[in-house]
Amino acid sequence: GAVVSQHPSRVICKSGTSVKIECRSLDFQATTMFWYRQFPKKSLMLMATSNEGSKATYEQGVEKDKFLINHASLTLSTLTVTSAHPEDSSFYICSARAGTDYSPLHFGNGTRLTVT
Amino acid sequence: AQKVTQAQTEISVVEKEDVTLDCVYETRDTTYYLFWYKQPPSGELVFLIRRNSFDEQNEISGRYSWNFQKSTSSFNFTITASQVVDSAVYFCALSEALSNSGYALNFGKGTSLLVTP
Repeated sequence: GAVVSQHPSRVICKSGTSVKIECRSLDFQATTMFWYRQFPKKSLMLMATSNEGSKATYEQGVEKDKFLINHASLTLSTLTVTSAHPEDSSFYICSARAGTDYSPLHFGNGTRLTVT
Repeated sequence: AQKVTQAQTEISVVEKEDVTLDCVYETRDTTYYLFWYKQPPSGELVFLIRRNSFDEQNEISGRYSWNFQKSTSSFNFTITASQVVDSAVYFCALSEALSNSGYALNFGKGTSLLVTP
């Protein structure tokens, strides 16, 4: 159980375009989802916490107008990278929590974004 | 501030060797959780273990074992009789309390383990 599906797994886009990444909890409801970013051979950095039905909470240094997060339902959160630039190229991973506030987080398979 | 240190950036061992991945953490929270995740080359994060700060019992799961020492703020991970399939990046993580309840994860920089035949 506790499967998190992330789509697409890879995307290549041109500078200036926007890209939407979906994160779905397949067999559970997730009131909170998280978006992480991972640079090559680096750790995962929390970008934002996505709460169903309310605005996302962004970490310091993350541009909210650049990385739009929508958590419209208990099973879906989306991250839209707007006006993408090559420096936005990265591995983006979502995670969701099933159950209580302190249950384990389960991660999607990640999306590798390449901006040309 | 929360902090997780994985001092070993890369480790290379020969198959069947035992290997220990170190993790040291800092937190001011009295209740917290520690985690280990495995990230194979395909990129997904695989949950391995969660440990509550009040539970210092060591845990063994097959070839994996974890040593939680609160006195030294360490949560080390040992793989016994390593196999090539164990090759991956391993992340230690610490729960970071959120203002609206629950927690997010604060990750260490990861240790890249390479097991060669």
